[in-house]
Amino acid sequence: AQSVAQPEDQVNVAEGNPLTVKCTYSVSGNPYLFWYVQYPNRGLQFLLKYITGDNLVKGSYGFEAEFNKSQTSFHLKKPSALVSDSALYFCAVRAWGRGGGNKLTFGTGTQLKVEL
Amino acid sequence: SAVISQKPSRDICQRGTSLTIQCQVDSQVTMMFWYRQQPGQSLTLIATANQGSEATYESGFVIDKFPISRPNLTFSTLTVSNMSPEDSSIYLCSVEVGYGVAIEAFFGQGTRLTVV
Repeated sequence: AQSVAQPEDQVNVAEGNPLTVKCTYSVSGNPYLFWYVQYPNRGLQFLLKYITGDNLVKGSYGFEAEFNKSQTSFHLKKPSALVSDSALYFCAVRAWGRGGGNKLTFGTGTQLKVEL
Repeated sequence: SAVISQKPSRDICQRGTSLTIQCQVDSQVTMMFWYRQQPGQSLTLIATANQGSEATYESGFVIDKFPISRPNLTFSTLTVSNMSPEDSSIYLCSVEVGYGVAIEAFFGQGTRLTVV
């Protein structure tokens, strides 16, 4: 079975500082990894995905994520945080291949709070 | 891409009653998905709804509690039946667009349900 772990319930960052939201995964097939953001009273919005290729993936709103196969991680990063980045972030994995399927499995979410 | 409209956006219901949530997509899709997002927890897939057939429920979810309709390729409803306070959650409708590794998930804005 596939799983996703987001070890931090909340991350606090000062505006202008770099931010990292951590995600690790476990799958038996090839992993396809996603980050979604949820603003208050809104549905999930797609940020970025890793399918194959470069380990550093760039997405919306200046976010990027680094795929690390050896550490089974897909941490979300941004060089300079904005107050408007404050939201709930979900990491998700979709596995393909033997033992996998095409179901999306989500982490528990990390609340990002960016303060002035 | 896909634009999803969910109604209602929120509701407060008495225990023992039922609530039907509607999901409308701006394009025809084969499968529609219903998720539950409980406070502080991950998104959990309730069921997958295909047009013209019965929905497929995930472990822990049953049709009597969460009946689903899928009358056409752009619309689905989820009913939360005989509600209890434990059913208080955000319910999200989702569709997936594309094929194979290019498949992407899109979400409605969610229905915030409070059962009192």
